[in-house]
Amino acid sequence: NAGVTQTPKFRILKIGQSMTLQCAQDMNHNYMYWYRQDPGMGLKLIYYSVGAGITDKGEVPNGYNVSRSTTEDFPLRLELAAPSQTSVYFCASRPGGSSEKLFFGSGTQLSVL
Amino acid sequence: TQLLEQSPQFLSIQEGENLTVYCNSSSVFSSLQWYRQEPGEGPVLLVTVVTGGEVKKLKRLTFQFGDARKDSSLHITAAQPGDTGLYLCAGRDSNYQLIWGAGTKLIIKP
Repeated sequence: NAGVTQTPKFRILKIGQSMTLQCAQDMNHNYMYWYRQDPGMGLKLIYYSVGAGITDKGEVPNGYNVSRSTTEDFPLRLELAAPSQTSVYFCASRPGGSSEKLFFGSGTQLSVL
Repeated sequence: TQLLEQSPQFLSIQEGENLTVYCNSSSVFSSLQWYRQEPGEGPVLLVTVVTGGEVKKLKRLTFQFGDARKDSSLHITAAQPGDTGLYLCAGRDSNYQLIWGAGTKLIIKP
């Protein structure tokens, strides 16, 4: 199994540009999450989804959007990129129910200049 | 705002030494997880503890959940270079949200 796959691995954006960070999982997990990780800070939850067609805001959703049209895919959209969005972004999934184990992708390092 | 404080923030020791890192909060958690993250990769789950006072061992790693379920520790015996990484703790709060600590960056020198 590939697990959780994120693309791209690295990206540089100019202020005001838009982009989509891709995330796909092949484990048939119901729950999917987007986090950002800044140096010296804990992971911050941006958005999450408990199943196809259902999304909800996390702790830091401003400037981002998500969709969940299938169980496998959970893309994160950045509109009008700002320097404050420079970060490492991680997608994660878990089966749901009593299982709390999160499976993470390898991350996307984004710089907004 | 709930916080999970991890200490120390950074630790560099020689191979073969023992070490303990801590994860503390004023809040009660229903469960607590420990992850290890290597450069350029996502965190990988090491253990989940759910019962106050619980101790779990994973080879040379010993995890303990505080009696009041507000704190946890990770003890590594005879550290090896392969233990190098960022150790993150994450607690599940009463709203079922996962609260993350900032991590302890551990370097084991050969």
